Amino acid sequence: EVQLVQFGGGLEQPGRSLRLSCTASGFTFDEYAMHWVRQAPGKGLEWVSGISWNSGSLDYGDSVKGRFTISRDNAKNSLYLQMNSLRAEDTALYYCVKDIRARDYDFSAFDIWGQGTMVTVSS
Amino acid sequence: EIVLTQSPGTLSLSPGERATLSCRASQSVSSYLAWYQQKPGQAPRLLIYDASKRATGIPARFSGSGSGTDFTLTISSLEPEDFAVYYCQQRSVRPLSFGGGTKVEIK
Repeated sequence: EVQLVQFGGGLEQPGRSLRLSCTASGFTFDEYAMHWVRQAPGKGLEWVSGISWNSGSLDYGDSVKGRFTISRDNAKNSLYLQMNSLRAEDTALYYCVKDIRARDYDFSAFDIWGQGTMVTVSS
Repeated sequence: EIVLTQSPGTLSLSPGERATLSCRASQSVSSYLAWYQQKPGQAPRLLIYDASKRATGIPARFSGSGSGTDFTLTISSLEPEDFAVYYCQQRSVRPLSFGGGTKVEIK
């Protein structure tokens, strides 16, 4: 079964840091770009960051650029999001997401989604 | 950043009716547009990618069309399970972006 299982998240104070993790199974992880997409409570979807299959290409949404860092460990079938200088507006459900295209430096659409992990930033 | 505007915000229809959802981009995204369905408490599900290609396992009643700046998702005959929120997403220019969503509700 193709699956993305997410870890991390929780409640953190403004200005602090959190790290999200995601472990993949059921597909060849090192062939696909991966992404983080978030959804604030009651709101729409926002692309946060993406990383190519071999980490050669990565990018961020404007609202997190310079504060968040995406990375992956293909040997561990794992994706990470290091979130620094957290703000109240980062409060959201964060999804780990698989890209539909294999071995491509371009990002595409998202065909497999994790269960989501909630991040709440509040003092 | 490319802004995607979805309309209408809410669509009230009955089962069996045809649903037509619109997504307009602030600049051309070629055919690099996807559509997702999200039900309450669930992660989104990919329906259509590259404007008109159905994702694996998606019923034929879902179809996508358009190119450039104007796109349409059509549900030919609404089933009870189709009442949900639908989002479009572009991959033409980074950062990738989503539209604000269209809610399809039961009339």
